[in-house]
Amino acid sequence: ETGVTQSPTHLIKTRGQQVTLRCSSQSGHNTVSWYQQALGQGPQFIFQYYREEENGRGNFPPRFSGLQFPNYSSELNVNALELDDSALYLCASSPQTSETREFFGPGTRLTVL
Amino acid sequence: AQSVTQLDSHVSVSEGTPVLLRCNYSSSYSPSLFWYVQHPNKGLQLLLKYTSAATLVKGINGFEAEFKKSETSFHLTKPSAHMSDAAEYFCVVTLLGGSYIPTFGRGTSLIVHP
Repeated sequence: ETGVTQSPTHLIKTRGQQVTLRCSSQSGHNTVSWYQQALGQGPQFIFQYYREEENGRGNFPPRFSGLQFPNYSSELNVNALELDDSALYLCASSPQTSETREFFGPGTRLTVL
Repeated sequence: AQSVTQLDSHVSVSEGTPVLLRCNYSSSYSPSLFWYVQHPNKGLQLLLKYTSAATLVKGINGFEAEFKKSETSFHLTKPSAHMSDAAEYFCVVTLLGGSYIPTFGRGTSLIVHP
């Protein structure tokens, strides 16, 4: 059974650019969540996708957007990058929504210069 | 609205001694509560969760937590620390049965001395 995978592992961008991060969910999981973890902080929930629809959203501006594909993989897109967007971006998948356990990927480290 | 406060940013124990990581929560409705562990360069791993069943929840690796509604607490304990327990621990609250918008605490770094 393959776990949650994310790509790329590291990424460097400059302010104002756009970035796309990718996540493959664990086999059999139809729900994907994205989190931002700044250095020394706990993860902050960005949004969740369930069967290709956004199912919940945290307190992030619209320049953070996402997609979920029919195979349940997902993308996180961030436009107009700001220095404060530098963080570890975590993807997690689960077999259903709500309070079930999530399985986390190793994350993508984004640095914005 | 919901929030979670991890009362200690760092906890230091000796191997073989008990571990107590404290978490208080605030929630307008019945909460679901979780503890996750994050080892360096590894993904977050679920230790245990509370979802309105037994108030004493047993998790993996000998950890357990007790839901105390009157104290709005969900402290994580382990009778005897092991060197491999050294990691970052996160307490998480979300609404039971509601929209899934989890709130993570800032984390507690557990340091285990030999």
